[in-house]
Amino acid sequence: KNQVEQSPQSLIILEGKNCTLQCNYTVSPFSNLRWYKQDTGRGPVSLTIMTFSENTKSNGRYTATLDADTKQSSLHITASQLSDSASYICVVSSRIGANNLFFGTGTRLTVIP
Amino acid sequence: GAVVSQHPSRVICKSGTSVKIECRSLDFQATTMFWYRQFPKQSLMLMATSNEGSKATYEQGVEKDKFLINHASLTLSTLTVTSAHPEDSSFYICSARGPPETQYFGPGTRLLVL
Repeated sequence: KNQVEQSPQSLIILEGKNCTLQCNYTVSPFSNLRWYKQDTGRGPVSLTIMTFSENTKSNGRYTATLDADTKQSSLHITASQLSDSASYICVVSSRIGANNLFFGTGTRLTVIP
Repeated sequence: GAVVSQHPSRVICKSGTSVKIECRSLDFQATTMFWYRQFPKQSLMLMATSNEGSKATYEQGVEKDKFLINHASLTLSTLTVTSAHPEDSSFYICSARGPPETQYFGPGTRLLVL
């Protein structure tokens, strides 16, 4: 069964600190993995997209890693800011199916001053 | 990057009325768009796949007669919630696959049925 699991479910950190969010998946055959940021009451916005051959990809203070062998990904946020407070969703795409996206339940990050 | 818009951003309606939500891809063409529903603190749940020029494909458990989808052009899909009830209150999000093979989401529509 294709599944995407994220941890932790929620996280509170102090402004300026770093944090790492985890995503484990069982989606097969794997196509790519995306991390999205979703602010409350808004649609998800893409942060990174990683294919099978990519191990690390950065987008500003966001760095995503992918281990296709263990089917794990992480999103590292450096020097957190208050505006980073949002839900971060891991979405894994399969190579088959019309809509082949599998969503994690997200990690709710709260950055406090 | 590619932009997907939704209108309205929020709507309040009386029980029994119908509500139409529009989803537009502003700078790219999308033969396929997707409609999701998201309840508080939950992940997005796919409702249906909207195909330009043909019937939508609904996920199991989603009533096609209640959630009418029309994909009239390559840049517009509409979702009509017919005879809305309070349990239909939710956050509705559309998405479209744009270049480079990325799913772009709309900003969402908050529906409240009284």
